[in-house]
Amino acid sequence: SAVISQKPSRDICQRGTSLTIQCQVDSQVTMMFWYRQQPGQSLTLIATANQGSEATYESGFVIDKFPISRPNLTFSTLTVSNMSPEDSSIYLCSVASGTDNSEMSPLHFGNGTRLTVT
Amino acid sequence: GQNIDQPTEMTATEGAIVQINCTYQTSGFNGLFWYQQHAGEAPTFLSYNVLDGLEEKGRFSSFLSRSKGYSYLLLKELQMKDSASYLCAVLDSNYQLIWGAGTKLIIKP
Repeated sequence: SAVISQKPSRDICQRGTSLTIQCQVDSQVTMMFWYRQQPGQSLTLIATANQGSEATYESGFVIDKFPISRPNLTFSTLTVSNMSPEDSSIYLCSVASGTDNSEMSPLHFGNGTRLTVT
Repeated sequence: GQNIDQPTEMTATEGAIVQINCTYQTSGFNGLFWYQQHAGEAPTFLSYNVLDGLEEKGRFSSFLSRSKGYSYLLLKELQMKDSASYLCAVLDSNYQLIWGAGTKLIIKP
């Protein structure tokens, strides 16, 4: 299965600043996703990171707030812009495993970035 | 709307068996996943069911009934390390993953 390195693992940021989270995979993957998980809550998909084109955002998430880069098939970044305390959460990078990279492939997750905004 | 229901929390005893239920109402169905998530860690994949019936994988088994919109995860011979949250997720007709809020399982000695 793919090995995913996500960093930083945690950060404490001031309101109004931005943080960029990096996700590096040890193999080429077609499907890469960014999730948010607030304490005791379900996973919420922010966007699908597409290589060579703009990310596909879910309802309630916009590019200006969460710009995403996907320069190649092994790397992606998520930026949380103009942060407020409501952005405090765990952010998770994930990729679809399996040789066919199909939608039915189980997801593998990075270890997450625990963000606290003060 | 789309909805996944799981109990918020369950408690069981080391060595015993526990069943964690998941019911769903989604727009179509392309499979159901179970994930385990230890506190402060990322979710890890446990099982995938797309056909009715029971799938056994060591101490863990997962059951699906598509007609009832129901699944369960069965954990046998519970160990302290099984203390974690268990997340149910359904792949809908658009291949979107719909996640449950998770069931926190507490194992007592």
